Amino acid sequence: DTGVSQDPRHKITKRGQNVTFRCDPISEHNRLYWYRQTLGQGPEFLTYFQNEAQLEKSRLLSDRFSAERPKGSFSTLEIQRTEQGDSAMYLCASSPGLEGPQHFGDGTRLSIL
Amino acid sequence: QKEVEQNSGPLSVPEGAIASLNCTYSDRGSQSFFWYRQYSGKSPELIMSIYSNGDKEDGRFTAQLNKASQYVSLLIRDSQPSDSATYLCAVTGGYQKVTFGTGTKLQVIP
Repeated sequence: DTGVSQDPRHKITKRGQNVTFRCDPISEHNRLYWYRQTLGQGPEFLTYFQNEAQLEKSRLLSDRFSAERPKGSFSTLEIQRTEQGDSAMYLCASSPGLEGPQHFGDGTRLSIL
Repeated sequence: QKEVEQNSGPLSVPEGAIASLNCTYSDRGSQSFFWYRQYSGKSPELIMSIYSNGDKEDGRFTAQLNKASQYVSLLIRDSQPSDSATYLCAVTGGYQKVTFGTGTKLQVIP
């Protein structure tokens, strides 16, 4: 197993466009997390899944953001009608359970023109 | 009050010295505590996890947890220039939410 995989690594798009990111967690991990990180800040929690169930969403996550994990394996994060403020690194992490440490993917860097 | 607080730094230490990084948290129900290292432009990398009061050592790294005082620290012995990075403290709270601090930037001077 090569760890958490995210695709794409970089995404440049125009304001108003929709974007979708994919995350493949470590195979035996049942928890999957999405974070957003901007320069000089720690990762900001967006949402997490246990298997296919989305258990929590941050209040900071507007209705333009949606995440899915349809079969409890890979997950997608979609941002509709992107705005300048969406420019950030989007990180995915997985863990074997609540108490286990999270392992991060390399992230997807989103730039909004 | 932030849920997880860290001094943003930069913390500068000479090569070979001990670097001491501190983190305080507000949720008394917190159960799990982690230290991550993040190089510029890279994703966080797990260094240490600690779950009970006391010290936990792994190589040059020692994590210290004091739940009564609600702080967790990371000591790096024999600091190397390659240790220069931002160190993130992460805490799993009583509601199963993982919260990260903003990180402390460490600079090890050769």
